[in-house]
Amino acid sequence: EAGVAQSPRYKIIEKRQSVAFWCNPISGHATLYWYQQILGQGPKLLIQFQNNGVVDDSQLPKDRFSAERLKGVDSTLKIQPAKLEDSAVYLCASSLGQGIGNTIYFGEGSWLTVV
Amino acid sequence: SQQGEEDPQALSIQEGENATMNCSYKTSINNLQWYRQNSGRGLVHLILIRSNEREKHSGRLRVTLDTSKKSSSLLITASRAADTASYFCATGNTGFQKLVFGTGTRLLVSP
Repeated sequence: EAGVAQSPRYKIIEKRQSVAFWCNPISGHATLYWYQQILGQGPKLLIQFQNNGVVDDSQLPKDRFSAERLKGVDSTLKIQPAKLEDSAVYLCASSLGQGIGNTIYFGEGSWLTVV
Repeated sequence: SQQGEEDPQALSIQEGENATMNCSYKTSINNLQWYRQNSGRGLVHLILIRSNEREKHSGRLRVTLDTSKKSSSLLITASRAADTASYFCATGNTGFQKLVFGTGTRLLVSP
């Protein structure tokens, strides 16, 4: 079974530039998550989708971050304009359902460095 | 905000020894999960324990949960160099319907 695919794996941009990350979840998984993981910390949930609807985006900095999952499958996360503190790993994950008892499957992450 | 806090932050042991990591959390939970993250990789699910369970085993892993103390422990027996990774606990609460990850324990197992 193919896992969660993410691209690009690495990205270096200057502050105030924009960047977009793409995620393809495991086939059949209705729930998709984007987490931000700053070095040395645990993952922090940015946004959670159930099919193509947003379930939770309470920790998404909406002035600069946006995410969409138009057809309920792939998703993109965009940052515009980027700040130095956005340097982190952006992890996409998916699960079969949205209940907290579901196992979450993570991609390898997209490493962002803002200089 | 992050709910779980792992202890210790870092642990260094020799192959063959047991490794114990602890997780403390603040609010009531429905379940608690442990994940492993190898350097530069995504997280991998290890085990889930529900709030009405006290202990669970999976291979060389043993997880305990004490809801009265709001704490959990992960024991890895007969550790191997391949167990070197960061380990995170994640708590689930039906009120919030999302998993909240802790700060992680970095485990180094030396050959």
